Amino acid sequence: GAGVSQSPSNKVTEKGKDVELRCDPISGHTALYWYRQSLGQGLEFLIYFQGNSAPDKSGLPSDRFSAERTGGSVSTLTIQRTQQEDSAVYLCASSSRKGASGDEQYFGPGTRLTVT
Amino acid sequence: AQSVTQLDSQVPVFEEAPVELRCNYSSSVSVYLFWYVQYPNQGLQLLLKYLSGSTLVESINGFEAEFNKSQTSFHLRKPSVHISDTAEYFCAVSTRSARQLTFGSGTQLTVLP
Repeated sequence: GAGVSQSPSNKVTEKGKDVELRCDPISGHTALYWYRQSLGQGLEFLIYFQGNSAPDKSGLPSDRFSAERTGGSVSTLTIQRTQQEDSAVYLCASSSRKGASGDEQYFGPGTRLTVT
Repeated sequence: AQSVTQLDSQVPVFEEAPVELRCNYSSSVSVYLFWYVQYPNQGLQLLLKYLSGSTLVESINGFEAEFNKSQTSFHLRKPSVHISDTAEYFCAVSTRSARQLTFGSGTQLTVLP
């Protein structure tokens, strides 16, 4: 079936604006992860959703970042009052089997966010 | 908390030569280990993983990695590389309690003709 999809593929925004990034996981995958990839920080974990459990938000860098997952499927990552240091590629991944450690995470192509 | 160190940021190698990409990790608990590959302008793909059992794991395209618990390493090797292996390679760990991946900083492998 289809892989993980993300939209938009590219987003340019002005400093101070809010942005929403969307992730469609693989159908039936119960676990969903957000990561970001930047030149200065490499690949960093942001947030993890598992079924109907409360999300693990331990990787969110500030309270300007939030995410939700509706109906156990699509997820939206929102960044409020964007700053230049938020410029990065935001990656979404999903996995099956209730996100058991060791299960393969399938990554989407990412959204490249540029804050000017 | 876990951490991953990839000792080489760039590895240039000639086609058909062997290559080793180094990865060391730190963790107070047992870990699961992964190598992901990112080809130019593409997303991350799982190359191989170690969960338990045999310490030597192999991928379908000729890469292998060996889990060495005493040296806390999971180095990636290929006996003969191809131009098409040019990509960035990321080592990552997770644990039974921490399902998210902790990545190393990546190694850019460039295969030269």
